[in-house]
Amino acid sequence: KAGVTQTPRYLIKTRGQQVTLSCSPISGHRSVSWYQQTPGQGLQFLFEYFSETQRNKGNFPGRFSGRQFSNSRSEMNVSTLELGDSALYLCASSPGEVEAGELFFGEGSRLTVL
Amino acid sequence: DQQVKQNSPSLSVQEGRISILNCDYTNSMFDYFLWYKKYPAEGPTFLISISSIKDKNEDGRFTVFLNKSAKHLSLHIVPSQPGDSAVYFCAALVSGYALNFGKGTSLLVTP
Repeated sequence: KAGVTQTPRYLIKTRGQQVTLSCSPISGHRSVSWYQQTPGQGLQFLFEYFSETQRNKGNFPGRFSGRQFSNSRSEMNVSTLELGDSALYLCASSPGEVEAGELFFGEGSRLTVL
Repeated sequence: DQQVKQNSPSLSVQEGRISILNCDYTNSMFDYFLWYKKYPAEGPTFLISISSIKDKNEDGRFTVFLNKSAKHLSLHIVPSQPGDSAVYFCAALVSGYALNFGKGTSLLVTP
């Protein structure tokens, strides 16, 4: 069974640009969560989608948005990039309800904002 | 507001000895507590979990202890092996809501 796939793995952008990251969950998984990892803050929750609906949202500004498609694939978008958005963006999937907390993570998309 | 705290950014242990990683939390509504392990250039992987109704869960060399009155949990690795060197994240959740992660503890197991 293929794991969680994130693309692109690495990307470099400049301030003010926007970026779209993609995540393909494990086949059959309906929940997709996004996290931002930075050295100083650890893993911070961005949002979670289940059956194309945003179910939970973290404390990030409106520049961060996401969506989920009918095949459970998900994208997240960051507009008007700032230097502080440089981070590893991790996507995780789970079969359904995030009840017991076991998430399956992708390898992440490393974003550098110059 | 950090609801899950790992106050030790790093820990160094000799091979064969016990590694103890600590975690504190503030939200008494958490239902589950988990530990994830992360190697460089890889995503975190689930290691072990414990329900809030238990105080201990063991899986091979890994044991998690939960002290609800102190809002504290710990991960014990016995015996520690060089391959255990990684960043360990403590996490907790209220069922139906998102996982809250700590900032991680970098464990180095030296031969």
